[in-house]
Amino acid sequence: QSVLTQPPSASGTPGQRVTISCSGSSSNIGSNTVNWYQQLPGTAPKLLIYSNNQRPSGVPDRFSGSKSGTSASLAISGLQSEDEADYYCAAWDDSLNVPVFGGGTKLTVL
Amino acid sequence: QVQLQESGPGLVKPSQTLSLTCTVSGGSISSGSYYWSWIRQPAGKGLEWIGRIYTSGSTNYNPSLKSRVTISVDTSKNQFSLKLSSVTAADTAVYYCAREAPYCTNGVCYPYFDYWGQGTLVTVSS
Repeated sequence: QSVLTQPPSASGTPGQRVTISCSGSSSNIGSNTVNWYQQLPGTAPKLLIYSNNQRPSGVPDRFSGSKSGTSASLAISGLQSEDEADYYCAAWDDSLNVPVFGGGTKLTVL
Repeated sequence: QVQLQESGPGLVKPSQTLSLTCTVSGGSISSGSYYWSWIRQPAGKGLEWIGRIYTSGSTNYNPSLKSRVTISVDTSKNQFSLKLSSVTAADTAVYYCAREAPYCTNGVCYPYFDYWGQGTLVTVSS
């Protein structure tokens, strides 16, 4: 049981816009920033979004993040086949004093 | 470009100690305000943070693993290491090392993992 809650799966067709939600509590998302990681099949996670909505260099602007209260979202516009991956949200938890992750959302491009 | 590479035995017997090393290249492990972390992922499951170390030697561990975990750093070799004792089958996972960077705003810093190793599978089995 992950501390942050994500839907186990999401899907979309090429060119579509999809969003992935991440729900937490006041001790994590409510009081800290949210990061998103993309894990392509058989590879290590890669930083996609940090501090709620900041993109590292090299990440396409098709990827965007937002946060409101104790929830966060990752949006992917202009969906491409290479976006098929697992996506994880993460945030520091002030009560547990550890970084916590969501259970991951498997994105399928139909 | 910073790169991290995990190394260590891929098979550990139950009750023994799992030992892994992460070698950092492309930059000094001592430079900047970074923590160096270990994270694991059982097959088909999510990510679990194990712990971290600062180059001063200061450590933080996940309370769920704290009694069994030791993380150390060797700045002369640009490496940091993980030891997990009394392992069971539940410790079978891909183990990643990662750099934790701070995003600071208004005097508060929030961490994120910006560089990851490729991961190494450790299986606990007799």
